[in-house]
Parts: sequence; structure tokens; C-alpha cells
Amino acid sequence: SQQGEEDPQALSIQEGENATMNCSYKTSINNLQWYRQNSGRGLVHLILIRSNEREKHSGRLRVTLDTSKKSSSLLITASRAADTASYFCATVNSGGSNYKLTFGKGTLLTVNP
Amino acid sequence: DTGVSQDPRHKITKRGQNVTFRCDPISEHNRLYWYRQTLGQGPEFLTYFQNEAQLEKSRLLSDRFSAERPKGSFSTLEIQRTEQGDSAMYLCASSLARGVRSSYEQYFGPGTRLTVT
Repeated sequence: SQQGEEDPQALSIQEGENATMNCSYKTSINNLQWYRQNSGRGLVHLILIRSNEREKHSGRLRVTLDTSKKSSSLLITASRAADTASYFCATVNSGGSNYKLTFGKGTLLTVNP
Repeated sequence: DTGVSQDPRHKITKRGQNVTFRCDPISEHNRLYWYRQTLGQGPEFLTYFQNEAQLEKSRLLSDRFSAERPKGSFSTLEIQRTEQGDSAMYLCASSLARGVRSSYEQYFGPGTRLTVT
């Protein structure tokens, strides 16, 4: 079963604007990851944040994690048309050794040129 | 090595037929995962291998599904007696889990889109 929900389900912005996506999950986690998926393609890993971290940056990406609320957010700054894709959060549960990912339903981001 | 590859990319089959998909992981990766993704949903875990051993299977994986990873290299996923509900994208991913070189990051293939008519 899926871990949780992304919010919003769909987001449409203009090029140059910032995009914020939220993710909620249900169990205790070892880490949370964000992936991008272009239409009909495989997923690409964007960033990983561990359960003892609160914020992480990578280029134009900023991820926050609030384990008390079991939630995370992904901020994409200065968006580009090429950022148009679906974005998924995925968690690795704590205590396990299999590293399997449990995904949310995703946010479809459209960046209009 | 250019990444995880999957074959075929698309498969259309009639209900009741058997299908087999192949996944070639990144060569040094010892873990291999299969996920299924339906339209508008995130991927759902099906099964994973560490080297040649299949260590976990999801309840989603009915008796009609079988996966193998002979010699710990490529993997195959077979679906017997396909049903329309099996229509989905089947994604393969690999990762490295070996001591200090272990990584939680998974590398995904492009997927095999199955349509059962």
C-alpha cells in the first residue's frame, strides 16, 4: 500500500516562479527521498533527507523534513519548463534492511514558458 | 555502464497469455527491485533481490507472478495467465548495498508498459 499523500495533486506555475510540493507519510522512517518522473518514463532520484536532518539543499532544490508531523516539502526555485514532470516522495522505513521504497501518489508539476 | 535497462519497453498481450519482462541493473549493484505503477499512482513495491536471493515479496505479487535473478545479474518478471488488471507500468530499479558503499538511492529503468486486452 502507498505510504501517504502528496499535496497538491497538480500544480501549474509560470517559468521563474517557485514550486512547493508537500508529502505526508504514516510510519517511522530511516529516510525520505524525492524522485522525478517525466511522462511515461522511469524515475530519477533528486534528493535524500535522513530522519535526523531537518533541511537539505541541492542546486535549486530545498527539502525539509518534520518527523513530528510526518511530513516533508520539496521547493523548486526559479522553475524552468524542463522541470515539468511528476514528483514523488518515497520513504524507507526504519528498522528494515531491505531499503524498499514506499511512494506517495505524486504531484504533477506543469511549468509554463 | 549507462544505467538500468528494461526490455521490452511496451508489451500488448491478450488476456490469458503469459508475458516475461527483463531487467538489466547497473552492473555493480547487488540489489534489484520490481515495482508496479498504474496510471495516476506512485510505484508500488513488488519484490526485491539481494544478489540472486529473492528476499521479500509483496502481497501484490499473486501466484501468477514469478521473478528470478539467476547468478545475481539480470532479472526476469513473468506474469502467467494475464488479466486486464495486470495492465500497468512495471519498473525495475537497482541499488548498491555493500557495507560503507551502501546507498538508499535507487536507479530506475525506463519501465515496461503492459497492456492486457
